[in-house]
Amino acid sequence: DTGVSQDPRHKITKRGQNVTFRCDPISEHNRLYWYRQTLGQGPEFLTYFQNEAQLEKSRLLSDRFSAERPKGSFSTLEIQRTEQGDSAMYLCASSFDGTYGYTFGSGTRLTVV
Amino acid sequence: QQQVKQSPQSLIVQKGGISIINCAYENTAFDYFPWYQQFPGKGPALLIAIRPDVSEKKEGRFTISFNKSAKQFSLHIMDSQPGDSATYFCAADFSGNTPLVFGKGTRLSVIA
Repeated sequence: DTGVSQDPRHKITKRGQNVTFRCDPISEHNRLYWYRQTLGQGPEFLTYFQNEAQLEKSRLLSDRFSAERPKGSFSTLEIQRTEQGDSAMYLCASSFDGTYGYTFGSGTRLTVV
Repeated sequence: QQQVKQSPQSLIVQKGGISIINCAYENTAFDYFPWYQQFPGKGPALLIAIRPDVSEKKEGRFTISFNKSAKQFSLHIMDSQPGDSATYFCAADFSGNTPLVFGKGTRLSVIA
């Protein structure tokens, strides 16, 4: 287990299509976070889980976005009816109880055309 | 509402010089202040972090200075090297109980 893995690394989709991203956290970490990053900006919080429970969702997370973390292991982030404004880097991070900082994956770059 | 304000947006430093990046926060409940380094195509990586019970923390060439009364903290990179060229983000949270809030980033270029 060498870190946080995200799949796919890149995704190009047509407007209106649904997309799903996967994140595999560090196995000992009980918290998993999703952030979105656009060009020239810092990561913006979307949602996070402690084990399998989704504890917080940002107002940025419209009803087209849904995230799951079944059995407290990997997580998926689904975007329905994608819009051009959804184009961004989607970052996943994990931590142990929020302490000692987060370990980020390399992200999934989404382009909506 | 931007809870963590970072400056400058970009910075060019000569090799061997000192790079200084500043952050100001608004929420006095914040008690954990990390800095992250991000290279193109990669996720942010934790560089160094500080809690408000100390005013300075040093790890190698990287130092965080913390001013609780001014609600400001800064990253100093001594003897800056071309390999330090990256985007740096400050962040803050409350005892790990709230998600990290990030600044907008500083793009550092170290030129020979």
